Amino acid sequence: AQTVTQSQPEMSVQEAETVTLSCTYDTSESDYYLFWYKQPPSRQMILVIRQEAYKQQNATENRFSVNFQKAAKSFSLKISDSQLGDAAMYFCASQPQGGSEKLVFGKGTKLTVNP
Amino acid sequence: DVKVTQSSRYLVKRTGEKVFLECVQDMDHENMFWYRQDPGLGLRLIYFSYDVKMKEKGDIPEGYSVSREKKERFSLILESASTNQTSMYLCASSLRRLFINEQFFGPGTRLTVL
Repeated sequence: AQTVTQSQPEMSVQEAETVTLSCTYDTSESDYYLFWYKQPPSRQMILVIRQEAYKQQNATENRFSVNFQKAAKSFSLKISDSQLGDAAMYFCASQPQGGSEKLVFGKGTKLTVNP
Repeated sequence: DVKVTQSSRYLVKRTGEKVFLECVQDMDHENMFWYRQDPGLGLRLIYFSYDVKMKEKGDIPEGYSVSREKKERFSLILESASTNQTSMYLCASSLRRLFINEQFFGPGTRLTVL
């Protein structure tokens, strides 16, 4: 079974600084997809960024970018110029293969942003 | 934008009660999911459905059942609620596609069983 590991239960960052959240995964598939989801306090979970494993280029979405290391099975999320609104639980997830309906989630990292 | 709604944000029930949690999505998605979220455990899949009247067990189906009579609606049923089912329940939906399947989430229902 595929697993996703987030080794940092909690992280904190100063406003305007950069923080990196770690995620590793285990898969035997050659083609798969990876996601970072954000769950703000008492609010809906939303997709932050996604990466297709066949793409070598790291995905970016404004202040959010990933460092995808396929050989190391690592998929970290970098948040630049952190803002108070970035405070949330962040979940890393994988879709084991194309067409699979299910996602496998990590246990999450709680990010605190200090003013 | 995809909208996934859940019938209640907060719910308090007593042990032994039958509990219904409802989820509705408005984007004609084939797939719908029920997750349970507990601190330190992340999201665990209870059941999912890939079509009307179709369902498949997830990782923790014990004590739960589901119903999908219409494409837009997916219900989670706790036949006899127990205190260890106190949790946050999240519903999600996605298109059924050959490749990437991003899931869209509802706001969650925080269920307390006394």
